[in-house]
Amino acid sequence: KQEVTQIPAALSVPEGENLVLNCSFTDSAIYNLQWFRQDPGKGLTSLLLIQSSQREQTSGRLNASLDKSSGRSTLYIAASQPGDSATYLCAVNNQGGKLIFGQGTELSVKP
Amino acid sequence: GAGVSQSPSNKVTEKGKDVELRCDPISGHTALYWYRQRLGQGLEFLIYFQGNSAPDKSGLPSDRFSAERTGESVSTLTIQRTQQEDSAVYLCASSGSRGANEQFFGPGTRLTVL
Repeated sequence: KQEVTQIPAALSVPEGENLVLNCSFTDSAIYNLQWFRQDPGKGLTSLLLIQSSQREQTSGRLNASLDKSSGRSTLYIAASQPGDSATYLCAVNNQGGKLIFGQGTELSVKP
Repeated sequence: GAGVSQSPSNKVTEKGKDVELRCDPISGHTALYWYRQRLGQGLEFLIYFQGNSAPDKSGLPSDRFSAERTGESVSTLTIQRTQQEDSAVYLCASSGSRGANEQFFGPGTRLTVL
């Protein structure tokens, strides 16, 4: 059974800092891995999708990596801003359908 | 807009009543998913549609929960005889085809059962 873990559960950093969020999964037979952000009381916004054949994806200040063999992904956020404050969720798709989510990392970027 | 939409945005009901939640996926998306997020907990998968059929219903928590999809478009999640533990945000997502495509989420329906 696939299990997804995110560390840390919460993170507070000063504005401008670079940071890394971690995601690990127990079953390496995945189709893809998706990173989302969730703002309080809102739905999920897709940030990056990495297919199983890919090692990384970049979008603006965000870079996500995938090491399928070790069951790990990281989300790197460069030059963090207060607007980046949100909960970041990692989810894996390993049956060609449903996503299995981690519990999320709650990020707070202080001005 | 071109995104996934859900209605209502909020629903308050009394224990024992039935509720219907609606999802309109992105036009042309053949795959549709329902998830649930209870307060302080992670997202749980409920059911997945490919076209109008549901190849994976494994996440439905009880037989009080059912869902249908018509015309490869709108989906309705029905909860019968609601219980307080059904209180949650119900999220719908769609993707371009089965399996490996990016899922896009709607804003959710916040259900409160009194």
